[in-house]
Amino acid sequence: SQTIHQWPATLVQPVGSPLSLECTVEGTSNPNLYWYRQAAGRGLQLLFYSVGIGQISSEVPQNLSASRPQDRQFILSSKKLLLSDSGFYLCAWGRRQNQPQHFGDGTRLSIL
Amino acid sequence: AQSVAQPEDQVNVAEGNPLTVKCTYSVSGNPYLFWYVQYPNRGLQFLLKYITGDNLVKGSYGFEAEFNKSQTSFHLKKPSALVSDSALYFCAVRPPRNTDKLIFGTGTRLQVFP
Repeated sequence: SQTIHQWPATLVQPVGSPLSLECTVEGTSNPNLYWYRQAAGRGLQLLFYSVGIGQISSEVPQNLSASRPQDRQFILSSKKLLLSDSGFYLCAWGRRQNQPQHFGDGTRLSIL
Repeated sequence: AQSVAQPEDQVNVAEGNPLTVKCTYSVSGNPYLFWYVQYPNRGLQFLLKYITGDNLVKGSYGFEAEFNKSQTSFHLKKPSALVSDSALYFCAVRPPRNTDKLIFGTGTRLQVFP
């Protein structure tokens, strides 16, 4: 069966520090991969998605970037964090359009 | 513009009573429709989907949803609510010809009282 892992579960970082969040998927190949941000326990904002290695689409211009160095690895990064980067970050994978996306358990990022 | 609406921020229901969480969408064509549930500090968990066929679809944990094409709605239902159903529920739509992305509603918090 397929599983998705995100780490760390929680992270507290000072303003201006770098960020690296990692997501890996097991049990499937060539998945679509997604990064979402959820603010205040509510709506989801799609940040990036990828349909293959090295292929990244950005949905919202911002302080973050994403990379996909391997087929089942998706990384969310920032060179300098802002206070507004705080939130709950969720990674998801999907395949065919009539199938659901499957989510990891998220990383809660607090910026001080 | 394509969108999904969940008109209720919160739904309160007594344990044992039926529950409905509403969802309407504005998407051209025949979209794929999904419901997810989120418990505190967890990711979204898939509940059920409508692709085609029978308008009433059944999913996990006794939930079901009714697709109504004329009203462009996909309401989530359960005949008898449990306290453990208390969570945040999201409706999502994948528009036709868009193979990559979901459009999510803003979520409805379900509170089931004992």
